[in-house]
Amino acid sequence: AQSVSQHNHHVILSEAASLELGCNYSYGGTVNLFWYVQYPGQHLQLLLKYFSGDPLVKGIKGFEAEFIKGKFSFNLRKPSVQWSDTAEYFCAVNEANTGNQFYFGTGTSLTVIP
Amino acid sequence: DGGITQSPKYLFRKEGQNVTLSCEQNLNHDAMYWYRQDPGQGLRLIYYSQIVNDFQKGDIAEGYSVSREKKESFPLTVTSAQKNPTAFYLCASSIGVASGRVWDEQFFGPGTRLTVL
Repeated sequence: AQSVSQHNHHVILSEAASLELGCNYSYGGTVNLFWYVQYPGQHLQLLLKYFSGDPLVKGIKGFEAEFIKGKFSFNLRKPSVQWSDTAEYFCAVNEANTGNQFYFGTGTSLTVIP
Repeated sequence: DGGITQSPKYLFRKEGQNVTLSCEQNLNHDAMYWYRQDPGQGLRLIYYSQIVNDFQKGDIAEGYSVSREKKESFPLTVTSAQKNPTAFYLCASSIGVASGRVWDEQFFGPGTRLTVL
């Protein structure tokens, strides 16, 4: 089975600081990659996704992620965080062409201090 | 509005009782999923269904059962055999393989928080 690792469990940043959340996966074949966000009291929602093409993917609210195939990574970045970015962030991987089961990481809790 | 509804939002159950969690979607999606979310463990897949009348076990299916009699509905039963049922349960759907797309994002419902007393 696929495994997805998010090494940062809890991150605390001040507003305007830069953010990078790590995500690594184990599958050696073609993958589709996702970042989801769960704001307090809200549904899980898609932040951005990568299927193919440009490995630098831009999502909503100024977030971006870079797929580095050789490192099996899909790290999430934002140059300047805001208090409203306080949320839990989940990386997810789907094995392309073999079915649509998703594997999620354990999540990273981000707290942004005003 | 298209989306996924889960009911109830909060559910309390006595030990030894079975309980069924509802999940309905009007997105015309073929694939539906049930996850369990525990603090520090992320989302773990319980069951998934790629098409009506078919479903597969996920990583933690023991003590759970599902049915998929209609495209729109994918109820989850937490049985008395589930050793640690207190958790937050999330239902999701995606377009699915039957629509010719083996990949796409999942859409999530608001979740049901189950507490066993």
